[in-house]
Amino acid sequence: GIQVEQSPPDLILQEGANSTLRCNFSDSVNNLQWFHQNPWGQLINLFYIPSGTKQNGRLSATTVATERYSLLYISSSQTTDSGVYFCAVRTNAGKSTFGDGTTLTVKP
Amino acid sequence: DSGVTQTPKHLITATGQRVTLRCSPRSGDLSVYWYQQSLDQGLQFLIQYYNGEERAKGNILERFSAQQFPDLHSELNLSSLELGDSALYFCASSVATETAQETQYFGPGTRLLVL
Repeated sequence: GIQVEQSPPDLILQEGANSTLRCNFSDSVNNLQWFHQNPWGQLINLFYIPSGTKQNGRLSATTVATERYSLLYISSSQTTDSGVYFCAVRTNAGKSTFGDGTTLTVKP
Repeated sequence: DSGVTQTPKHLITATGQRVTLRCSPRSGDLSVYWYQQSLDQGLQFLIQYYNGEERAKGNILERFSAQQFPDLHSELNLSSLELGDSALYFCASSVATETAQETQYFGPGTRLLVL
């Protein structure tokens, strides 16, 4: 099956810093989403981005489907950004595959 | 609030027992997905239903089964429970599924503890 690798596995930042999270996938996909899992376990949808670039406030994402990677940018990080960020892909077969996530800790 | 509801929030049971987890999708969503999140295996896709019919199957054990009812709510049945089934079980929904090109919205999850 498709492999999804996220890097880095862990990231510690000071409040106000910027960061880039990466997601590599091993095969063509027609669906890619980024999620934030908060400390209470809730999975929050950030972006649906199978290709191209999107921005939502301090967050933006870019997927280069031909090169099989996606990037999530967090600017001016806040303590509330802490949590685990997951990349999830789906192929035409309909099965979703999640990466292992990047655990982000933002310190005040 | 994603609009996806799951009940119960927490469930504690014993090995060998059977439990049923329930999910109500967002209004208008025809697809329901089930996921398991455990410490050792991460987030894993279990199964997807679209308008009452099974659409895609992932790493779902034979002891587990699911269905989607005419009102589009879904139930995940877990039987002969083992300690390793302790996990957070998520349900997600989306509008349609013909091309897999749609956003999934996740419910708050059911935390299952098997003792």
